[in-house]
Amino acid sequence: QVQLQESGPGLVKPSETLSLTCSVSGGSMSTYYWSWIRQPPGKGLEWIGYVYYSGSTNYNPSLKSRVTISVDTAKNQFSLKLTSVTAADTAVYYCARVLGAALADYWGQGTLVTVSS
Amino acid sequence: EIVMTQSPATLSVSPGERATLSCRASQSISNNLAWYQQIPGQAPRLLIYGASTRATGIPARFSGSGSGTEFTLTISSLQSEDFAIYYCQQYSNWAFGQGTKVEIK
Repeated sequence: QVQLQESGPGLVKPSETLSLTCSVSGGSMSTYYWSWIRQPPGKGLEWIGYVYYSGSTNYNPSLKSRVTISVDTAKNQFSLKLTSVTAADTAVYYCARVLGAALADYWGQGTLVTVSS
Repeated sequence: EIVMTQSPATLSVSPGERATLSCRASQSISNNLAWYQQIPGQAPRLLIYGASTRATGIPARFSGSGSGTEFTLTISSLQSEDFAIYYCQQYSNWAFGQGTKVEIK
């Protein structure tokens, strides 16, 4: 059974960089895409982007200028960096395994990141 | 940009009754649609992909239908654990609908 676990700071100051890591266990990262999805409190889901195990990426156009997603298959991890954060970036951030670059079949439990000074 | 619109926003249903949720795409997406269930405080769970194929372990009371621009998720007989928020998602630009909350009537 594949399991994903997000980790990183729960509080980030405005204008700084949000950094999260997702650790994958119970399966290989090979042949899959790996994604970050977020959910502001009380709101719906927003796709941030995904990375293929080989390192190629695809990002939500609305966030593309601020997002970097990378993968480290040797550590069974992938990471999210979001620069120049504002209060609008406050959300629960989920990592997920993606099938065919299309849909998420396994999700982490999510981690709340609050942007505040 | 493809926009996904779900209706209704809230659906009040009694346990044991049928629930029908709708999702509309702003342009044709063939059958490239998934449905997720989210219980408050939990991560979303994949229910349906390819518009009508149940994901592994999903009970048969959940069914999906539709193609093109109109899609439906049906829960044939609501159980207590089915009261949740349901999201549709189209594959190409990962657009999610805004969600339908299924609540106890």
